[in-house]
Amino acid sequence: AQTVTQSQPEMSVQEAETVTLSCTYDTSENNYYLFWYKQPPSRQMILVIRQEAYKQQNATENRFSVNFQKAAKSFSLKISDSQLGDTAMYFCAYSNAGGTSYGKLTFGQGTILTVHP
Amino acid sequence: DVKVTQSSRYLVKRTGEKVFLECVQDMDHENMFWYRQDPGLGLRLIYFSYDVKMKEKGDIPEGYSVSREKKERFSLILESASTNQTSMYLCASSPVPLPNSRAASSPLHFGNGTRLTVT
Repeated sequence: AQTVTQSQPEMSVQEAETVTLSCTYDTSENNYYLFWYKQPPSRQMILVIRQEAYKQQNATENRFSVNFQKAAKSFSLKISDSQLGDTAMYFCAYSNAGGTSYGKLTFGQGTILTVHP
Repeated sequence: DVKVTQSSRYLVKRTGEKVFLECVQDMDHENMFWYRQDPGLGLRLIYFSYDVKMKEKGDIPEGYSVSREKKERFSLILESASTNQTSMYLCASSPVPLPNSRAASSPLHFGNGTRLTVT
C-alpha cells in the first residue's frame, strides 16, 4: 500500500516571502501521479498543482512550483510571493496510474499554512 | 464549473441512529468518492464508485455503506452511528471513465464537506 507523509503540521510565513512544504511518499509503483491540494477555512478543497511521475520536469503553476525527487520519493511545494489568501491547509496526495486506480487518492496528514501580513 | 453538493454542512446525530449523507454532482462524472477527514490523519477513503450501482471499499469501510442508484448521486450510510464516526466527511467526483490508464491524472472535485457529530 502507498503512504504519504507530511512531517510539518504547521508552517507560517510573512506575506511576500517564500515557503516550502514537504512531502514524502512510499510506493513500489513506477508510474503514478502526485498532487497538492489546498483547503481554505471555507473548506472547499481545490487542486493546486499536479505532477506525473514519468515527467522529469517539475510542474509549475504561477506562484506554485514543486520539487519532485523521484529517487528520494520526495515532492515538496514551494509558494513564492506568499499572499494572505494562501492561508489554508495543504494536502499532498498520491495516485497510482493504470486503469484500476480509478483516480483514488492517498492523502498525507496535511500542513496548516498561515500567511502573516 | 463542476459543482459537488453535499446536502448538509453540519449534522448532529445520536448514537445508534441511521445516518444518510448525500452528495450530488452536476457534471456527469463516472467516479465518486467518500472520504473522512480527521486532524492529524488527513483524508482517508471510505468507499468509492466508478459507475451506477458499482462500489468498492476504500481503506476504512467498516461501519459504512454506500448507494449509487443514479450517476449524479452518491450516498454514504452510517448503519448505526457511533461516537468514533464523529468527523468531517468529504464527497468528491472525477471526470475520467474507467478503465483508463490516465484516470489518475484528472483532479478530484470536492464538495464543501459535512461535519458530523455523533453524541
